[in-house]
Amino acid sequence: DQQVKQNSPSLSVQEGRISILNCDYTNSMFDYFLWYKKYPAEGPTFLISISSIKDKNEDGRFTVFLNKSAKHLSLHIVPSQPGDSAVYFCAASETGANNLFFGTGTRLTVIP
Amino acid sequence: EAQVTQNPRYLITVTGKKLTVTCSQNMNHEYMSWYRQDPGLGLRQIYYSMNVEVTDKGDVPEGYKVSRKEKRNFPLILESPSPNQTSLYFCASSFEGLTEAFFGQGTRLTVV
Repeated sequence: DQQVKQNSPSLSVQEGRISILNCDYTNSMFDYFLWYKKYPAEGPTFLISISSIKDKNEDGRFTVFLNKSAKHLSLHIVPSQPGDSAVYFCAASETGANNLFFGTGTRLTVIP
Repeated sequence: EAQVTQNPRYLITVTGKKLTVTCSQNMNHEYMSWYRQDPGLGLRQIYYSMNVEVTDKGDVPEGYKVSRKEKRNFPLILESPSPNQTSLYFCASSFEGLTEAFFGQGTRLTVV
């Protein structure tokens, strides 16, 4: 059963606007979350992470928000750029465990 | 240049013919892992290794073997490949288990 879910397979956004990618998880023991970006024919690349002791982490245009009570996290990209067009995966893990669970990915298209 | 190198990038093989996909990293990372990516299922962890001679099963280990005899290499072995192992495979490495991981470019395997 999928423990990390990204319910939107795709998202289209105009250049300059905000992109919001969502992720839900079912395992309440997860306490570390990551976002990866993947371009075609390449491996995923790390984007940003957040620990459960925080509810927000920011890195330039990218901000991740964590709502532990809702078991939900989101990635905000502001402003969106055409180069952000890629598949975005969220991933979750539990401290002390050593496996990482990925969502199914959301394909973001930023329209110039 | 820091990188994770997988070979081959593409492979078509027949059912039952043993194969090995190699993975090598040049960052002196202790943690390495293998994932498979399938449509609608995202990335699923096959095996991981926390250090030399230390390996453990991930989410979907059936039909796969790994070894970690040297820190830099983590080959994935399919002793008797079957068509349901047709997939896109990624190797990844990181300093610690669940921190930022560097991924290889992927190996697209087709088993006929």
